[in-house]
Amino acid sequence: DAGITQSPRHKVTETGTPVTLRCHQTENHRYMYWYRQDPGHGLRLIHYSYGVKDTDKGEVSDGYSVSRSKTEDFLLTLESATSSQTSVYFCAISEPKRELGNEQFFGPGTRLTVL
Amino acid sequence: AQSVTQLDSQVPVFEEAPVELRCNYSSSVSVYLFWYVQYPNQGLQLLLKYLSGSTLVKGINGFEAEFNKSQTSFHLRKPSVHISDTAEYFCAVTLGNQGGKLIFGQGTELSVKP
Repeated sequence: DAGITQSPRHKVTETGTPVTLRCHQTENHRYMYWYRQDPGHGLRLIHYSYGVKDTDKGEVSDGYSVSRSKTEDFLLTLESATSSQTSVYFCAISEPKRELGNEQFFGPGTRLTVL
Repeated sequence: AQSVTQLDSQVPVFEEAPVELRCNYSSSVSVYLFWYVQYPNQGLQLLLKYLSGSTLVKGINGFEAEFNKSQTSFHLRKPSVHISDTAEYFCAVTLGNQGGKLIFGQGTELSVKP
């Protein structure tokens, strides 16, 4: 298994509070991603990073920010959590190479509940 | 806009029966295609992928998929399913001009009954 950990694995918080989720990898992959998974929507990309301090928005970036100060860590922050951000969040990594075709490896997920 | 459509949200089958999970995509550029599996309360695991070459791709756990460029499809098949195949299956596409980003389908929940 690819060395990807997410913390915390479960979190319950209240509306309006800030929340930070952490993704840590030991594979030295250049790309890192944050997705959210909701029933009927599959996985939707929130933000991604293509190198240290290089990030870009995904499909559903409103209300989220990210930071990547080291290759191995990618942080997702909800500045002021809302109930619509209740979801399961997955981190993924990839190292784009011709033979891999940008295959992504996924972490175990973080279940976030915003009350 | 590029998109991925999984035509069935739920597929119930009996053990040892064959199954096909359907996936269609829309794209005007070259694509790489993937099927991922998610077992309950776990992350996603790669089943198989199509990059180039033979259009019939074999993956883990006896699954295979066929890339059909003219029909823009990448259907997943298994000739005989087991109870342990019960999971959610996601088709995904990464586009030649989109870096490493994946576009996922909505998922198909496969339920294998004894």
